[in-house]
Amino acid sequence: IQMTQSPSTLSASVGDRVNITCRASQNIDSWLAWYRQKPGKAPNLLIYKASNLESGVPSRFSGSGSGAEFTLTISSLQPEDFATYYCQQYVSYYTFGQGTKVEMK
Amino acid sequence: EVQLVESGGGLAQPGGSLRLSCAASGFTFKNYAMTWVRQAPGKGLERVSVISGSGGITFYADSVKGRFTISRDNFNNTLYIEMNNLRAEDTAVYFCAKGVRQLVNWNWFDSWGQGTLVAVSS
Repeated sequence: IQMTQSPSTLSASVGDRVNITCRASQNIDSWLAWYRQKPGKAPNLLIYKASNLESGVPSRFSGSGSGAEFTLTISSLQPEDFATYYCQQYVSYYTFGQGTKVEMK
Repeated sequence: EVQLVESGGGLAQPGGSLRLSCAASGFTFKNYAMTWVRQAPGKGLERVSVISGSGGITFYADSVKGRFTISRDNFNNTLYIEMNNLRAEDTAVYFCAKGVRQLVNWNWFDSWGQGTLVAVSS
């Protein structure tokens, strides 16, 4: 299963609402996770099963979608959110998307 | 608190071998699948291999199949990956990560190590 994220790069400012899209090459129901990776650090789980917020993750993060199209929304971008975001399907083994870099405008 | 600490990275020659370790603590290790994920310089995350909690089921990415072997020691709470016949394209930071289930499928990864760098060059 191939995962395609868009955009590849996104320019935004602190306080902006940000949406990142992830499309699967086939139906994956809700078997999707989102991660944030800050520069030089390990990925950190944000969302699992498409819309469930991982414990300890700020409520400005939310996930939606099912089937083959999914969205990660950051309601009000914070300085620590300038990072790269990855989606991951886990219905068949697992696959990551290619990543979306959120950079400062 | 879950902790995953990788070690064993370094410089290897093409065709050479390395063994990475991931020491786990803070959870019942045998109850969870574990995985290795790598990230080449400036690139995205790439799955490498995953192993079930019991160690009886493993999967490998096509890019490493036949060259890498994942294993685990549930007594000493350690995950391994033996990497043979290394290629330049294996150069990456290698992360270990903890699954949320014992089986290899239906897993997302809720804890990650800090990564260890493998560089393959002559």
